[in-house]
Amino acid sequence: NAGVTQTPKFQVLKTGQSMTLQCAQDMNHEYMSWYRQDPGMGLRLIHYSVGAGITDQGEVPNGYNVSRSTTEDFPLRLLSAAPSQTSVYFCASSYSDRSGYTFGSGTRLTVV
Amino acid sequence: DAKTTQPNSMESNEEEPVHLPCNHSTISGTDYIHWYRQLPSQGPEYVIHGLTSNVNNRMASLAIAEDRKSSTLILHRATLRDAAVYYCIPSGGSNYKLTFGKGTLLTVNP
Repeated sequence: NAGVTQTPKFQVLKTGQSMTLQCAQDMNHEYMSWYRQDPGMGLRLIHYSVGAGITDQGEVPNGYNVSRSTTEDFPLRLLSAAPSQTSVYFCASSYSDRSGYTFGSGTRLTVV
Repeated sequence: DAKTTQPNSMESNEEEPVHLPCNHSTISGTDYIHWYRQLPSQGPEYVIHGLTSNVNNRMASLAIAEDRKSSTLILHRATLRDAAVYYCIPSGGSNYKLTFGKGTLLTVNP
């Protein structure tokens, strides 16, 4: 049982490049979410999913795409990286609303 | 999503109890009240959650008002490791997701 695994832990991108942040969980959790946290700021919800094949936008979805083809994986795609997307990205998952979310250790992304 | 109001900051002394309040007057009937905390340079960590009754676990206790419009997270004996930002988040149902507010920054003095 590895929990929520995020890869990579660190990434530097050039403006305009695209990349995918990976998130995987092995706990059979239905609910998964992506957050970003800018330095000194709170967490903002980017996209979330309530089950395989179902995704929805959070507070700050622009510039990001997600898909949920399996229960285990919830990748976050940056379409064309911008310096404003420099942030720490957290993925989280939960079994149900009667349980808490488990967070990954984060991906620190720098866009230059 | 229900709106929440928490103090920006609170201070406590080590080994004393801490009561962290949260107002959530627009909470819906199906929402649980979730509490998370974020220690410096770490990801958020689940603390406790409840629906109507008071709840206890090894980390904390949660006291929920009878009308569910407010709740209080209780740390029975604060330690230096409890210094963190604490978030109160009402959420639940089929659209279960967490929307974080600004939270309360708890400082614990030795």
